[in-house]
This record gives sequence, structure tokens and C-alpha cells, in this order.
Amino acid sequence: EAGVAQSPRYKIIEKRQSVAFWCNPISGHATLYWYQQILGQGPKLLIQFQNNGVVDDSQLPKDRFSAERLKGVDSTLKIQPAKLEDSAVYLCASSLNPRGRLYYNEQFFGPGTRLTVL
Amino acid sequence: GIQVEQSPPDLILQEGANSTLRCNFSDSVNNLQWFHQNPWGQLINLFYIPSGTKQNGRLSATTVATERYSLLYISSSQTTDSGVYFCAVPTDSWGKLQFGAGTQVVVTP
Repeated sequence: EAGVAQSPRYKIIEKRQSVAFWCNPISGHATLYWYQQILGQGPKLLIQFQNNGVVDDSQLPKDRFSAERLKGVDSTLKIQPAKLEDSAVYLCASSLNPRGRLYYNEQFFGPGTRLTVL
Repeated sequence: GIQVEQSPPDLILQEGANSTLRCNFSDSVNNLQWFHQNPWGQLINLFYIPSGTKQNGRLSATTVATERYSLLYISSSQTTDSGVYFCAVPTDSWGKLQFGAGTQVVVTP
């Protein structure tokens, strides 16, 4: 079974530029998550989709970050304009998670995109 | 929100040694995951363990949900065990994970 795919793996941009990340979850997984991991810390949730609807974006800096999951499969996360403090690894994860059924909530992570903002 | 604390923050082991990592959480949870983040940044699933004990090769994990902690055991450590070990628990019914700060493990030859 294929895992969670992400691209690109690395990205270096200047501040105020824009950048986009792509994620393809495990086939059949209804729930998709984007996490931000700053060096030396654990991942923190940015946004969570159930199929193509947003269920939690409370930690997403909406003035500069946006995300979408068209057709309930692939997802893109965009930053515009980027700031120095956005330098981090952006991780995508997916889980089966039928609504409210935590038993199926094991999350699987992609390899991440390492973003450096200069 | 739920707090997750991991100890120790750092661990240096000689190859072949055994170790125990601990994860404490501040509220009752329905499940818990252990991950290994390798030096390339990939988060690898180790265990999905709401309660009880599971074993996978040289690794095993025990979760005592009533006492709000989980333990990860590494036996006969190898240099490939180096990396950061995270535990994570869901904070809502949609499965949003709260991660601990991690335990950095270095295994020396």
C-alpha cells in the first residue's frame, strides 16, 4: 500500500514570496491533516479536512496561509507572503477516521517538505 | 487543552543497551501513538496503543490509560534507533493530535 506522498521535499524562498505544497493521502483515507514542525519541537496542527470539508483551522494563520482539498483527495497548502518564521517542516498526514470513531484514527505521515525562508 | 510530557528529553546509549522512554498525559485519552522521527525528518509509526502492551521486534510499548502514561522500551539498541521519539494523543473527536516535545536518542557504536 502506498504511503502519504508530498512534494516538493525541499524549498528555499525569499521572504514575501509565495510557495505551495502538495499532498496525496493514503487511498481511502477520509481525513487529511497539515502539521507544521519547527526545529526542536513536536508537530502542530495547522488544518484538518474531513473529505473536502474543513473541520479545524483554528491554528492556521489565515492572513497568509490557505489550504484546499478539492474532490476530497489531494490537498495543497499555500503560504503568501512567506515570513522568516515560516521556516519549518510541513507534514501531511492522513487517517481513516470515520466521523467520531477514534478507533480508526491512527495517523500516517508523509516525508514532509522542508521550507527555508531567507 | 491536554498536556503531553515526555522524559527524558535526551538519551545517549551505547549500542546494545536497553532504555525506557516515558509519556505522561494530563487527561484521559482514547488512543495514543508512538513515532520515531529519523534523521531525515520522516515520522515513522511505531505503535498505536490505547491501552495494554504491544511488541514489535526489539521495541515494545505499554499504555496504562487509567494512570495516564505510556512507556516505550528499546532493547538491544542499534545505531539505526537514533532519532527523536514522539508520543501523541488526540485532543478532540476528529483526532487532532497533541504531540509531546520528544526524546532525542543517540546510539553510539
